[in-house]
Amino acid sequence: AIRMTQSPSSFSASTGDRVTITCRASQGISSYLAWYQQKPGKAPKLLIYAASTLQSGVPSRFSGSGSGTDFTLTISCLQSEDFATYYCQQYYSYPPLTFGGGTKVEIK
Amino acid sequence: EVQLVESGGGLVKPGGSLRLSCAASGFTFSSYSMNWVRQAPGKGLEWVSSISSSSSYIYYADSVKGRFTISRDNAKNSLYLQMNSLRAEDTAVYYCARAPDDSSPYFDYWGQGTLVTVSS
Repeated sequence: AIRMTQSPSSFSASTGDRVTITCRASQGISSYLAWYQQKPGKAPKLLIYAASTLQSGVPSRFSGSGSGTDFTLTISCLQSEDFATYYCQQYYSYPPLTFGGGTKVEIK
Repeated sequence: EVQLVESGGGLVKPGGSLRLSCAASGFTFSSYSMNWVRQAPGKGLEWVSSISSSSSYIYYADSVKGRFTISRDNAKNSLYLQMNSLRAEDTAVYYCARAPDDSSPYFDYWGQGTLVTVSS
């Protein structure tokens, strides 16, 4: 199984900050990577697929990059509604489909 | 509007069984792969099972293989998860999630989830 490792597991940031979350795959996954946002008590929401393609309706302050084993999710100007937990997921090789452990973005 | 509504969760004793359902609307259900993803309390996301649009391809996580069965009824726009021999570690919120097509198993729409608690 492909292991997905996210870093950091949590951090604090302020509104307006530029933040970057990293996801690393245990083997190459080309660009078969998705990013999700989850708020407490809610279902995850798809943000990005194919490593860098923004899902319809997602604000342009979100962007994704990377291929192979190293990927990043960037929020260019953090808004109050962006405080949440973010997950990456690989869909290059399955089963199993695998998620990263999550990155919690908290208010500083 | 795409809607996925799970039901069937609840409290069950270890070794017991439960059947989850997911009612889909707002899209042509028979054209999409469907999935179950779970989240234990305070933990991350774990993929459980996938079924292709015509039920030709079915996959399970090792943690549930032999105990859980995924199925669908395209005539009823419904997805199911039959869970047998339940264990305490199966306690989680179970989400029904749609994949945009059979060859792209990421999840573009999710239900609100249904809580399964396995406890004596």
